[in-house]
Amino acid sequence: AQSVTQLDSQVPVFEEAPVELRCNYSSSVSVYLFWYVQYPNQGLQLLLKYLSGSTLVESINGFEAEFNKSQTSFHLRKPSVHISDTAEYFCAVTNAGFQKLVFGTGTRLLVSP
Amino acid sequence: GAGVSQSPSNKVTEKGKDVELRCDPISGHTALYWYRQSLGQGLEFLIYFQGNSAPDKSGLPSDRFSAERTGGSVSTLTIQRTQQEDSAVYLCASSSRILDEQYFGPGTRLTVT
Repeated sequence: AQSVTQLDSQVPVFEEAPVELRCNYSSSVSVYLFWYVQYPNQGLQLLLKYLSGSTLVESINGFEAEFNKSQTSFHLRKPSVHISDTAEYFCAVTNAGFQKLVFGTGTRLLVSP
Repeated sequence: GAGVSQSPSNKVTEKGKDVELRCDPISGHTALYWYRQSLGQGLEFLIYFQGNSAPDKSGLPSDRFSAERTGGSVSTLTIQRTQQEDSAVYLCASSSRILDEQYFGPGTRLTVT
Protein backbone atom coordinates (compact mmCIF):
# COMPACT_ATOMS: atom_id res chain seq x y z
CA ALA A 1 0.00 0.00 0.00
CA GLN A 2 1.09 3.53 -0.65
CA SER A 3 1.32 6.22 1.99
CA VAL A 4 2.51 9.79 2.26
CA THR A 5 3.98 11.47 5.32
CA GLN A 6 4.09 15.20 5.82
CA LEU A 7 5.78 15.60 9.17
CA ASP A 8 5.16 19.32 9.57
CA SER A 9 1.54 20.24 10.20
CA GLN A 10 2.35 23.94 10.25
CA VAL A 11 5.34 25.98 9.04
CA PRO A 12 5.53 29.65 10.04
CA VAL A 13 7.94 31.78 8.04
CA PHE A 14 8.64 35.44 7.41
CA GLU A 15 8.08 37.01 4.03
CA GLU A 16 11.06 36.70 1.64
CA ALA A 17 12.56 33.86 3.65
CA PRO A 18 13.19 30.43 2.08
CA VAL A 19 10.94 27.51 2.94
CA GLU A 20 10.96 23.73 2.61
CA LEU A 21 7.87 21.59 3.09
CA ARG A 22 8.77 17.96 3.60
CA CYS A 23 7.12 14.97 1.99
CA ASN A 24 8.12 11.33 2.23
CA TYR A 25 6.29 8.49 0.54
CA SER A 26 6.13 4.75 0.84
CA SER A 27 5.52 2.54 -2.16
CA SER A 28 6.83 -0.74 -3.49
CA VAL A 29 6.38 0.24 -7.11
CA SER A 30 7.15 3.19 -9.34
CA VAL A 31 5.33 6.31 -8.28
CA TYR A 32 4.02 9.56 -9.60
CA LEU A 33 4.14 12.47 -7.17
CA PHE A 34 2.15 15.66 -6.84
CA TRP A 35 1.93 18.79 -4.74
CA TYR A 36 -1.48 20.42 -4.42
CA VAL A 37 -2.21 23.79 -2.81
CA GLN A 38 -5.42 24.90 -1.12
CA TYR A 39 -5.71 28.65 -0.57
CA PRO A 40 -8.11 29.85 2.14
CA ASN A 41 -11.71 29.18 1.15
CA GLN A 42 -10.69 27.79 -2.22
CA GLY A 43 -10.48 24.35 -3.82
CA LEU A 44 -7.41 22.22 -4.39
CA GLN A 45 -5.12 23.24 -7.22
CA LEU A 46 -2.24 21.32 -8.72
CA LEU A 47 1.06 23.06 -7.97
CA LEU A 48 3.48 20.68 -9.67
CA LYS A 49 3.96 17.02 -10.51
CA TYR A 50 6.63 14.43 -11.17
CA LEU A 51 5.76 11.72 -13.66
CA SER A 52 9.10 10.87 -15.25
CA GLY A 53 12.26 12.46 -16.61
CA SER A 54 14.04 15.25 -14.75
CA THR A 55 13.79 14.76 -11.02
CA LEU A 56 13.53 18.52 -10.44
CA VAL A 57 10.17 20.00 -11.30
CA GLU A 58 9.08 23.61 -11.07
CA SER A 59 5.85 25.54 -10.81
CA ILE A 60 5.03 28.84 -12.45
CA ASN A 61 5.03 30.72 -9.14
CA GLY A 62 8.57 29.86 -8.03
CA PHE A 63 8.09 26.59 -6.16
CA GLU A 64 10.17 23.56 -7.00
CA ALA A 65 10.32 19.97 -5.82
CA GLU A 66 12.90 17.26 -6.28
CA PHE A 67 12.09 13.58 -6.56
CA ASN A 68 14.66 11.61 -4.57
CA LYS A 69 14.12 7.90 -5.05
CA SER A 70 16.80 6.78 -2.61
CA GLN A 71 15.33 8.88 0.18
CA THR A 72 11.73 8.36 -0.99
CA SER A 73 11.17 12.09 -0.72
CA PHE A 74 9.55 14.84 -2.75
CA HIS A 75 10.20 17.99 -0.71
CA LEU A 76 8.76 21.31 -1.85
CA ARG A 77 10.95 24.41 -1.74
CA LYS A 78 10.77 28.10 -2.51
CA PRO A 79 13.76 30.44 -2.11
CA SER A 80 11.67 33.49 -1.17
CA VAL A 81 8.04 33.31 -0.05
CA HIS A 82 5.31 35.91 -0.34
CA ILE A 83 2.36 36.64 1.89
CA SER A 84 0.17 35.26 -0.88
CA ASP A 85 1.79 31.83 -0.50
CA THR A 86 -0.09 31.36 2.76
CA ALA A 87 -2.09 28.19 2.16
CA GLU A 88 -2.26 24.51 2.94
CA TYR A 89 -0.01 22.27 0.86
CA PHE A 90 -0.73 18.61 0.21
CA CYS A 91 1.68 16.02 -1.12
CA ALA A 92 0.11 13.10 -2.99
CA VAL A 93 1.22 9.88 -4.66
CA THR A 94 -0.22 7.49 -7.20
CA ASN A 95 1.13 4.89 -9.59
CA ALA A 96 0.19 3.26 -12.85
CA GLY A 97 -1.74 0.49 -11.13
CA PHE A 98 -3.93 2.75 -9.03
CA GLN A 99 -5.87 5.70 -10.25
CA LYS A 100 -6.51 7.25 -6.88
CA LEU A 101 -4.36 9.91 -5.26
CA VAL A 102 -3.14 9.13 -1.76
CA PHE A 103 -2.66 12.38 0.12
CA GLY A 104 -0.55 13.39 3.06
CA THR A 105 -2.17 15.17 5.98
CA GLY A 106 -1.13 18.58 4.69
CA THR A 107 1.22 21.35 5.82
CA ARG A 108 -0.13 24.78 6.60
CA LEU A 109 2.32 27.46 5.43
CA LEU A 110 1.89 30.73 7.33
CA VAL A 111 3.79 33.67 5.85
CA SER A 112 3.96 36.80 7.97
CA PRO A 113 5.38 40.25 7.21
CA GLY B 1 -14.01 27.53 -19.43
CA ALA B 2 -16.19 26.09 -16.69
CA GLY B 3 -14.50 24.09 -14.00
CA VAL B 4 -15.78 21.26 -11.86
CA SER B 5 -18.95 22.25 -10.06
CA GLN B 6 -20.54 20.68 -7.03
CA SER B 7 -23.90 21.12 -5.39
CA PRO B 8 -25.01 21.92 -2.84
CA SER B 9 -22.10 23.93 -1.47
CA ASN B 10 -23.33 23.34 2.06
CA LYS B 11 -25.67 20.71 3.44
CA VAL B 12 -26.90 20.33 7.00
CA THR B 13 -28.84 17.18 7.72
CA GLU B 14 -30.13 15.28 10.67
CA LYS B 15 -28.60 12.00 11.69
CA GLY B 16 -30.31 9.12 9.94
CA LYS B 17 -31.39 11.05 6.85
CA ASP B 18 -30.15 10.29 3.33
CA VAL B 19 -28.23 12.89 1.31
CA GLU B 20 -27.24 13.23 -2.33
CA LEU B 21 -24.21 15.19 -3.44
CA ARG B 22 -23.79 16.15 -7.07
CA CYS B 23 -20.71 16.67 -9.20
CA ASP B 24 -20.55 18.16 -12.70
CA PRO B 25 -17.12 17.45 -14.18
CA ILE B 26 -15.35 19.48 -16.81
CA SER B 27 -16.94 18.75 -20.17
CA GLY B 28 -15.13 15.95 -21.98
CA HIS B 29 -13.32 14.62 -18.92
CA THR B 30 -13.68 10.85 -18.84
CA ALA B 31 -12.32 10.26 -15.33
CA LEU B 32 -14.15 11.43 -12.21
CA TYR B 33 -13.07 11.06 -8.58
CA TRP B 34 -14.65 11.54 -5.18
CA TYR B 35 -12.60 12.38 -2.09
CA ARG B 36 -13.49 13.31 1.47
CA GLN B 37 -11.67 15.91 3.54
CA SER B 38 -12.22 15.78 7.27
CA LEU B 39 -10.34 17.06 10.29
CA GLY B 40 -9.49 13.69 11.69
CA GLN B 41 -8.72 11.83 8.46
CA GLY B 42 -7.28 14.39 6.06
CA LEU B 43 -7.99 13.81 2.37
CA GLU B 44 -9.30 10.33 1.62
CA PHE B 45 -10.07 8.71 -1.71
CA LEU B 46 -13.59 7.35 -1.97
CA ILE B 47 -14.23 6.16 -5.54
CA TYR B 48 -13.35 6.89 -9.13
CA PHE B 49 -15.16 6.49 -12.43
CA GLN B 50 -13.76 5.83 -15.87
CA GLY B 51 -16.70 6.67 -18.07
CA ASN B 52 -19.74 5.29 -16.26
CA SER B 53 -17.98 2.38 -14.60
CA ALA B 54 -16.30 2.42 -11.20
CA PRO B 55 -13.25 0.12 -11.25
CA ASP B 56 -12.18 1.11 -7.75
CA LYS B 57 -14.70 1.49 -4.92
CA SER B 58 -12.20 0.57 -2.25
CA GLY B 59 -12.37 3.89 -0.49
CA LEU B 60 -16.08 3.90 0.27
CA PRO B 61 -16.24 3.80 4.09
CA SER B 62 -19.32 1.57 4.37
CA ASP B 63 -22.26 0.18 2.43
CA ARG B 64 -24.17 3.34 3.34
CA PHE B 65 -22.11 5.10 0.68
CA SER B 66 -22.79 4.66 -3.03
CA ALA B 67 -22.08 6.59 -6.18
CA GLU B 68 -23.16 6.53 -9.76
CA ARG B 69 -22.31 8.33 -12.95
CA THR B 70 -24.60 8.62 -15.91
CA GLY B 71 -23.88 9.59 -19.49
CA GLY B 72 -20.19 9.80 -18.71
CA SER B 73 -20.84 13.15 -17.09
CA VAL B 74 -22.68 14.00 -13.87
CA SER B 75 -22.02 11.92 -10.78
CA THR B 76 -24.03 11.57 -7.59
CA LEU B 77 -22.64 10.44 -4.25
CA THR B 78 -25.36 9.14 -1.95
CA ILE B 79 -24.99 8.64 1.77
CA GLN B 80 -27.80 6.71 3.43
CA ARG B 81 -28.70 6.93 7.11
CA THR B 82 -26.10 9.62 7.73
CA GLN B 83 -24.01 9.52 10.88
CA GLN B 84 -22.15 12.33 12.62
CA GLU B 85 -18.82 10.88 11.51
CA ASP B 86 -19.92 11.50 7.91
CA SER B 87 -19.51 15.24 8.49
CA ALA B 88 -16.77 16.41 6.13
CA VAL B 89 -16.10 18.27 2.91
CA TYR B 90 -16.76 16.02 -0.07
CA LEU B 91 -14.57 16.87 -3.04
CA CYS B 92 -15.04 15.88 -6.64
CA ALA B 93 -12.32 15.98 -9.27
CA SER B 94 -12.13 15.16 -12.95
CA SER B 95 -9.37 14.56 -15.46
CA SER B 96 -9.24 14.13 -19.19
CA ARG B 97 -7.68 10.71 -18.72
CA ILE B 98 -6.08 8.61 -16.03
CA LEU B 99 -2.89 10.15 -14.59
CA ASP B 100 -3.65 13.50 -16.15
CA GLU B 101 -4.07 16.47 -13.82
CA GLN B 102 -7.10 16.17 -11.59
CA TYR B 103 -9.15 19.36 -11.42
CA PHE B 104 -11.00 19.74 -8.15
CA GLY B 105 -14.37 21.28 -7.47
CA PRO B 106 -15.05 23.61 -4.52
CA GLY B 107 -16.55 20.80 -2.46
CA THR B 108 -19.75 20.18 -0.55
CA ARG B 109 -19.55 20.77 3.18
CA LEU B 110 -21.76 18.19 4.88
CA THR B 111 -22.75 18.64 8.51
CA VAL B 112 -24.69 15.88 10.22
CA THR B 113 -26.40 17.04 13.42
